[in-house]
Amino acid sequence: AQTVTQSQPEMSVQEAETVTLSCTYDTSENNYYLFWYKQPPSRQMILVIRQEAYKQQNATENRFSVNFQKAAKSFSLKISDSQLGDTAMYFCAFMKETGNQFYFGTGTSLTVIP
Amino acid sequence: KAGVTQTPRYLIKTRGQQVTLSCSPISGHRSVSWYQQTPGQGLQFLFEYFSETQRNKGNFPGRFSGRQFSNSRSEMNVSTLELGDSALYLCASSLGTGPSYEQYFGPGTRLTVT
Repeated sequence: AQTVTQSQPEMSVQEAETVTLSCTYDTSENNYYLFWYKQPPSRQMILVIRQEAYKQQNATENRFSVNFQKAAKSFSLKISDSQLGDTAMYFCAFMKETGNQFYFGTGTSLTVIP
Repeated sequence: KAGVTQTPRYLIKTRGQQVTLSCSPISGHRSVSWYQQTPGQGLQFLFEYFSETQRNKGNFPGRFSGRQFSNSRSEMNVSTLELGDSALYLCASSLGTGPSYEQYFGPGTRLTVT
């Protein structure tokens, strides 16, 4: 079974500062994908960033980057130069290489303070 | 390009009734997945359809069912509603099935059971 744990229910950050959201997971799979999704107050989930487990290089997307530690089963999200529009619930998710089902963490509610 | 649409957006039903929710995927997308989102259980996978076939089903009772039509639109049905079925129901669509295909989420249908 796959489990995803987000240990920070709520976080806040000052505008323009950097914040890191934590995620750990448990799986016996060797090949899999990890994701961070953002769910703004309007509720539509948006993909932030994706990481393939067999790729050692950490994924980056503009101000968003991940720190993927496969051995530690850790997948944290770093948001640089935080903006008010980053205020949202952030979900870490796991997907098997051969599947199409997300296993989601419980989410971290991030508030960017002006 | 239109996004994933879900109808209705809000719904209030009484215990014991049944309900049908609809999801229209992005044009050309053939895979549709459904998730239930509640404060207590988080995001849980319901089922996935690809080319009118159910490929995978989550751990939900038989009261939850779904189908996909030839135009890829999908419906999910919940019979004999219970208070615990109150949730936000999200659908996601993708071109194909598997983690290499980005999944796009709809805004959700908020179901309240009284």
